[in-house]
Amino acid sequence: KNEVEQSPQNLTAQEGEFITINCSYSVGISALHWLQQHPGGGIVSLFMLSSGKKKHGRLIATINIQEKHSSLHITASHPRDSAVYICAVTPNTGTASKLTFGTGTRLQVTL
Amino acid sequence: GAGVSQSPRYKVAKRGQDVALRCDPISGHVSLFWYQQALGQGPEFLTYFQNEAQLDKSGLPSDRFFAERPEGSVSTLKIQRTQQEDSAVYLCASSLGVGAYGYTFGSGTRLTVV
Repeated sequence: KNEVEQSPQNLTAQEGEFITINCSYSVGISALHWLQQHPGGGIVSLFMLSSGKKKHGRLIATINIQEKHSSLHITASHPRDSAVYICAVTPNTGTASKLTFGTGTRLQVTL
Repeated sequence: GAGVSQSPRYKVAKRGQDVALRCDPISGHVSLFWYQQALGQGPEFLTYFQNEAQLDKSGLPSDRFFAERPEGSVSTLKIQRTQQEDSAVYLCASSLGVGAYGYTFGSGTRLTVV
């Protein structure tokens, strides 16, 4: 079992829909990251969370440390949001900053 | 520079050839990571530098893989005698400090071994 699990693996939405991507992890962490990767592109860091909730534009990320769960929400989705969204954690053991990644959620937003 | 720069962007190598991949992190970033991302998979950790010190190389898949960061800035990942299973995107990331800091990723080097 992976230490970081994401769901769904694939997601298709129509423009304007509210989208939720979930992440569960099984290790103690010092931070959780949401990342975005476009096809053929590098990775962009969206959020780093250790508690609570963060918002940036149409993106909202929440984390529940007790339940070891995080969600990424996209409001009023747009085709340009189409990308792979990756959840990653910084475990609080081992190499201080090393990230452990989920396998990603592939999002396709259609007109 | 403004971001993490990786070169080359694409590399095609014949099986058995040696390759060198370069990462130029954000100036002043202490931590530097290399990750390997196979097609359709999430990135997997390869190695970690804190300044010039390689503190963790537990993810390097074999002794054909070698990384260095001699002056604590630019890093090079070298793969000797490349094999087809080495085909992947190699991502470099840097971070200002040690611990739960944000990361900046490079665009990656896509290595194809034929």
